[in-house]
Amino acid sequence: AQSVTQLGSHVSVSEGALVLLRCNYSSSVPPYLFWYVQYPNQGLQLLLKYTSAATLVKGINGFEAEFKKSETSFHLTKPSAHMSDAAEYFCAVSEKGGSQGNLIFGKGTKLSVKP
Amino acid sequence: NAGVTQTPKFQVLKTGQSMTLQCAQDMNHEYMSWYRQDPGMGLRLIHYSVGAGITDQGEVPNGYNVSRSTTEDFPLRLLSAAPSQTSVYFCASSYSPLSNQPQHFGDGTRLSIL
Repeated sequence: AQSVTQLGSHVSVSEGALVLLRCNYSSSVPPYLFWYVQYPNQGLQLLLKYTSAATLVKGINGFEAEFKKSETSFHLTKPSAHMSDAAEYFCAVSEKGGSQGNLIFGKGTKLSVKP
Repeated sequence: NAGVTQTPKFQVLKTGQSMTLQCAQDMNHEYMSWYRQDPGMGLRLIHYSVGAGITDQGEVPNGYNVSRSTTEDFPLRLLSAAPSQTSVYFCASSYSPLSNQPQHFGDGTRLSIL
């Protein structure tokens, strides 16, 4: 069965510092990959998705992620953190070629940004 | 467009009570789903639907029922509430059931079972 591992349940960075949130998936066949963000007391919003076009995917709010098949990874980065980036981030996968669209989520990484 | 609308936003139940969590979308999306979010667990799929009249179980379906009589609505029923069902529930939808489609989420229903 597919699984998603997000390394680090909490990550803290200073404002202006690099943000790196890690995501690894388990499938031997590269799946479709998504990053979602959840602000307090809100639902999830799509940041970006990888669906086998370019391996470097740009998303909203200055985030990007790079798909690395050899490392089964899809880490999320942002060059310079803003206070408004403080939120919880979820990596999710769905099986390529699947017809059901079901997402398997990682357990989430809560990002704190210090002034 | 309102997107995905969930009601109520908050609810407190007593053990054994039943209730229905409502979910409606106005985007004419085929695929709809229900997830529960628990601390440190991420989101887990409860039930999903690939179109009106078609539903199926996800990872954690026990204690929950769903139906999909229209494209727009996908209610989740708790038959006999248990404290283990205390959670935040999210409804999501996507344009099609294809697995490369991003899902749109509602703002959630926070449910406490006493």
